[in-house]
Amino acid sequence: TQLLEQSPQFLSIQEGENLTVYCNSSSVFSSLQWYRQEPGEGPVLLVTVVTGGEVKKLKRLTFQFGDARKDSSLHITAAQPGDTGLYLCAGEGKSSGDKLTFGTGTRLAVRP
Amino acid sequence: DVKVTQSSRYLVKRTGEKVFLECVQDMDHENMFWYRQDPGLGLRLIYFSYDVKMKEKGDIPEGYSVSREKKERFSLILESASTNQTSMYLCASSLGQGLEQFFGPGTRLTVL
Repeated sequence: TQLLEQSPQFLSIQEGENLTVYCNSSSVFSSLQWYRQEPGEGPVLLVTVVTGGEVKKLKRLTFQFGDARKDSSLHITAAQPGDTGLYLCAGEGKSSGDKLTFGTGTRLAVRP
Repeated sequence: DVKVTQSSRYLVKRTGEKVFLECVQDMDHENMFWYRQDPGLGLRLIYFSYDVKMKEKGDIPEGYSVSREKKERFSLILESASTNQTSMYLCASSLGQGLEQFFGPGTRLTVL
């Protein structure tokens, strides 16, 4: 079973601060997705990265896929209370078909 | 607007009861998934299905079974509920391999 470890597990910051969430594995993934889950709802896709070294930006969020496609990071600039939620990375293995392996999750709280 | 619905948001059952969790998607997706979500463990795949009447075991299938009689509906069954099955259960669907998974709002199941 492929494992995806996320760090940190919890993060509480002040509005306006920057932060980075890491998603690491010893396995290679064909692609990697990032989801955000708000209380009482299911996860919602933020972005998919598919190429080693790829960087994608979504407003204040920057996603990077490692060169070896074993790790990824999510950087948030000038965090806002609306960024509060559980962030999950999910990797698609080379031979896993449509199955995704989800990371352990990072719970972010942004204080006003 | 695409939608995945789950039959209950909250459910309380007693040990030994048979439990049915229903999931319906209106996107004509081939693939459907059942996950459980526990703090610090992320989402773990229980069962998935690529087609009607087809099912595949995920990473933690023990104590669960599934049914997919129609394309839009995927049911999770706990034959004899146990306290260690207390969890948040999430259903998802996707159009194809490696593509975005759309999640329902989840069912929080408590087994007493």
